[in-house]
Amino acid sequence: GAVVSQHPSRVICKSGTSVKIECRSLDFQATTMFWYRQFPKQSLMLMATSNEGSKATYEQGVEKDKFLINHASLTLSTLTVTSAHPEDSSFYICSAEDGDHYGYTFGSGTRLTVV
Amino acid sequence: GIQVEQSPPDLILQEGANSTLRCNFSDSVNNLQWFHQNPWGQLINLFYIPSGTKQNGRLSATTVATERYSLLYISSSQTTDSGVYFCAVESITGGSYIPTFGRGTSLIVHP
Repeated sequence: GAVVSQHPSRVICKSGTSVKIECRSLDFQATTMFWYRQFPKQSLMLMATSNEGSKATYEQGVEKDKFLINHASLTLSTLTVTSAHPEDSSFYICSAEDGDHYGYTFGSGTRLTVV
Repeated sequence: GIQVEQSPPDLILQEGANSTLRCNFSDSVNNLQWFHQNPWGQLINLFYIPSGTKQNGRLSATTVATERYSLLYISSSQTTDSGVYFCAVESITGGSYIPTFGRGTSLIVHP
């Protein structure tokens, strides 16, 4: 089945620094990937839709200058949290559709802690 | 946008018990999936089920698209079934497919 690899799984960074999270589709091409944020004991909140070769589409309330998304190839999308602050600490998850439209496959998530 | 409601929000079971989780959605959907999020955060795809009934071992799911609901059945529950179960639906917004999650059902199975 479709596999999505997400790295790193955990990261701790200092306030003011930037962190890059990678999401790769390993055995299929993904023209569209999605980035979610999840707070403890809450559901997944869609942050943005990442489209290969074009700008990402951000959901209302998500700062595009803070959460930079790049989808440079059909197998890789990256989310960069710029000038991170403690309130950016969260669980970030990416997903991709496998193209045959049999649903979405999720990465294993990245737990970001900003200190 | 489309609304997705899951019930119950919390469920505690004794090992071996059966349960039914429900997902209601407010509009027509192109896709519906059930996921299990384990304690480490990994989302495991259980069913892709925009309509009809599917079974996989002790789990089965039914979606009645015309009545806008889906049910996930867990039989003979095990402690490893603990976690959060999410229903996610896909609707068309502005020509794009947008997946939307419910708030989940948190399941605890005691030995």
